[in-house]
Amino acid sequence: DTGVSQNPRHKITKRGQNVTFRCDPISEHNRLYWYRQTLGQGPEFLTYFQNEAQLEKSRLLSDRFSAERPKGSFSTLEIQRTEQGDSAMYLCASSQNYQPQHFGDGTRLSIL
Amino acid sequence: SQQGEEDPQALSIQEGENATMNCSYKTSINNLQWYRQNSGRGLVHLILIRSNEREKHSGRLRVTLDTSKKSSSLLITASRAADTASYFCATEIFSGNTPLVFGKGTRLSVIA
Repeated sequence: DTGVSQNPRHKITKRGQNVTFRCDPISEHNRLYWYRQTLGQGPEFLTYFQNEAQLEKSRLLSDRFSAERPKGSFSTLEIQRTEQGDSAMYLCASSQNYQPQHFGDGTRLSIL
Repeated sequence: SQQGEEDPQALSIQEGENATMNCSYKTSINNLQWYRQNSGRGLVHLILIRSNEREKHSGRLRVTLDTSKKSSSLLITASRAADTASYFCATEIFSGNTPLVFGKGTRLSVIA
């Protein structure tokens, strides 16, 4: 069990640029989740997958956001035309078989 | 949107004292979970209590759940400096590894 891995850990970009984050879940976990956390708040759900199928998207996930899990293993979260309000910690978690979610250490996004 | 509210928002205690954190939530749930987050890191699962359970223990942790009041408490006994972290409650409305709805968290500082 190597844990959930997220890359990069930090991303600084200018407003209007596109960014992509990667999440590698625990290998045998079939469910993968993305959350966003702003300073002083709890994580908020964005979207989740079972294998390669995207099961649900939050209303927080505007059309500038897209997530994929093409082979049911790693996942990517892309934000197009970034805005100041996108600055946050983006957390990935994975789980299986009614077990609790395991979280990665997140990608901190800062928009200049 | 956030499901719950933790109380207090911040708590500072001396090493060896007990720490109690409370969580309230809004809707019916399948289970409630507590997570810990160290600064700049991901969340670590502590304990899960199901809606048909009233109390659960794990090491120095004791969790209670009152579904009639839609509230839960987390007690950490004999606190240590290493317990310094933010603590979040999270509810799962349906069973089966569905997305979690987090509260805003309690920041605990344990002073040696």
